[in-house]
Amino acid sequence: EADIYQTPRYLVIGTGKKITLECSQTMGHDKMYWYQQDPGMELHLIHYSYGVNSTEKGDLSSESTVSRIRTEHFPLTLESARPSHTSQYLCATISGANVLTFGAGSRLTVL
Amino acid sequence: AQSVTQLDSHVSVSEGTPVLLRCNYSSSYSPSLFWYVQHPNKGLQLLLKYTSAATLVKGINGFEAEFKKSETSFHLTKPSAHMSDAAEYFCVVSEVDSNYQLIWGAGTKLIIKP
Repeated sequence: EADIYQTPRYLVIGTGKKITLECSQTMGHDKMYWYQQDPGMELHLIHYSYGVNSTEKGDLSSESTVSRIRTEHFPLTLESARPSHTSQYLCATISGANVLTFGAGSRLTVL
Repeated sequence: AQSVTQLDSHVSVSEGTPVLLRCNYSSSYSPSLFWYVQHPNKGLQLLLKYTSAATLVKGINGFEAEFKKSETSFHLTKPSAHMSDAAEYFCVVSEVDSNYQLIWGAGTKLIIKP
């Protein structure tokens, strides 16, 4: 049973639309991450949070934004989607033992 | 500065033969090292991790990895490949000095031939 949930799993939208990718975790972890992964490529960190009201940009510049109003919820938003945003987005948390747990991912296609 | 190099983008082995996925890292301090596996259309799963305990780490599904500080390597092995092992494998490093930010390798796609 998954402890970290991402929705939607798949999304196909048109250019210019606003989208929000949801990520929720039931483990009470403070640290949460968003990674972007293009097919066959490594993961790139785009956002992270160390707790409520804490958000930071990651290594890869991204036009997306995140918020962390509650510990269990870390949504990612694109105000105006473009084809260059087509990718897979993975949400993760990290335990005190430094073990990452990933969600199943959200695969976004922007036409 | 940390970095991770997975030396092979693709590895192809026959079912029943040994698997070797190579990973070299650079780290300023004693790192934590991980191997993750990603099966097609599934989320990432932790295979095993090294966190300064025993240098030979055993993971799930018969995989193991050996931390060799002198060689700065953390290669992943399995004695006998199974068809279900076909997936993409990621080597990951983190260290306390970077507040546990994770650095990912580019991944190695493991192909199993019948």
